[in-house]
Amino acid sequence: QSVLTQPPSVSAAPGQKVTISCSGSTSNIGNNYVSWYQQLPGTAPKLLIYDSNQRPSGIPDRFSGSTSGTSATLGITGLQTGDEADYYCGTWDNSLSAGVFGGGTKLTVL
Amino acid sequence: QVQLVQSGAEVKKPGASVKVSCKASGNTFNSNDINWVRQATGQGLEWMGWMNPNSGDTGYAQKFQGRVAMTRDTSIKTAYMELSSLRSEDSAVYYCATSTSGSSSLGDWGQGTLVTVSS
Repeated sequence: QSVLTQPPSVSAAPGQKVTISCSGSTSNIGNNYVSWYQQLPGTAPKLLIYDSNQRPSGIPDRFSGSTSGTSATLGITGLQTGDEADYYCGTWDNSLSAGVFGGGTKLTVL
Repeated sequence: QVQLVQSGAEVKKPGASVKVSCKASGNTFNSNDINWVRQATGQGLEWMGWMNPNSGDTGYAQKFQGRVAMTRDTSIKTAYMELSSLRSEDSAVYYCATSTSGSSSLGDWGQGTLVTVSS
């Protein structure tokens, strides 16, 4: 059971927009920055968003992050078949004094 | 950006220990914390702990306390994660990843090391 809660799967058509939610609590998302990771099949995770809404260099602006209270959201616009992957949210949990992740969301681009 | 290269796959028997290495390229080894994250087949990511290569300070997830040790050899820019008393549930891909001090964001990742625990 993950500390952060994500939907197991989402899907949308190419060119469309999708959002992935990540729900936590005041001990994690409510008081810490959130990161988002993309994991393509058979590869290591890749940082997409850090500090809740910042993109590392090289990450297209089709990817965006936001937070509200104890929840975070990853948005992806202009979906491409290459975006099919597992997406994970992560942050620090002050009560656990540990990094925590969501269970992951599988994105299917129909 | 830091390139992290991990050691190869391991097969261990229950009760044994495994030590995975993570070698950093460039001159930034001391500039970032090293985290270890594992992923069982078909499962999600699980954070295990962090280490500051400068000071050697570490922090471990409670689940692994007493069973994990994160160390480093700064002369060869290599971090290590040793997990002892292995059980079948420890079979997973183990990743090292960097973070800046004070941040939980994991910027650069190693390629992963598959550890299989089987009798």
